[in-house]
Amino acid sequence: KQEVTQIPAALSVPEGENLVLNCSFTDSAIYNLQWFRQDPGKGLTSLLLIQSSQREQTSGRLNASLDKSSGRSTLYIAASQPGDSATYLCAVPEYSGGGADGLTFGKGTHLIIQP
Amino acid sequence: DVKVTQSSRYLVKRTGEKVFLECVQDMDHENMFWYRQDPGLGLRLIYFSYDVKMKEKGDIPEGYSVSREKKERFSLILESASTNQTSMYLCASSDRGPWETQYFGPGTRLLVL
Repeated sequence: KQEVTQIPAALSVPEGENLVLNCSFTDSAIYNLQWFRQDPGKGLTSLLLIQSSQREQTSGRLNASLDKSSGRSTLYIAASQPGDSATYLCAVPEYSGGGADGLTFGKGTHLIIQP
Repeated sequence: DVKVTQSSRYLVKRTGEKVFLECVQDMDHENMFWYRQDPGLGLRLIYFSYDVKMKEKGDIPEGYSVSREKKERFSLILESASTNQTSMYLCASSDRGPWETQYFGPGTRLLVL
């Protein structure tokens, strides 16, 4: 079973800075990696999904990269805004041959953007 | 847009009560999942289902059961609620295959007294 680790656990930066969130996983045989955002007390919103054959995926100010061989992914946020304040989670799917066996999550990075 | 809805945002129950958490998705997805989220432990998979009437145990199934009578609806059942089941419960759905995006509901925050 995968182990997923996110560093740092918390991050506070001034508005306007570019920042990088890190995610690592133990088994490189993944189908994809998904990044989520969670606002306090709310559900998860999918931000980006990178398939195993891709190296990068972009959506607006967000760019996610994937290096399967080293078991790492990064989420780059450009020109951060106070509205980006949230917890960011990465996850990889487990698969035993049936359908999808659920996601294994990291514990998240709690991000605060100071106005 | 995919929509996953959960029947309650907040629930307060007594120890020993039978509790039903309902989840409905509107995208005809085959796969549905129940997770719980706890501070310091993150999200953990309780049960999942590939199809109607099918269920599979996740990482922490003890004390829970599930029901999937219709494709769009997946229910999580706490047979006899205990205080250690106080948590945030999140439902998700996805199309067939582990390569598909999982879509999450808003969550149900359950307090067991």
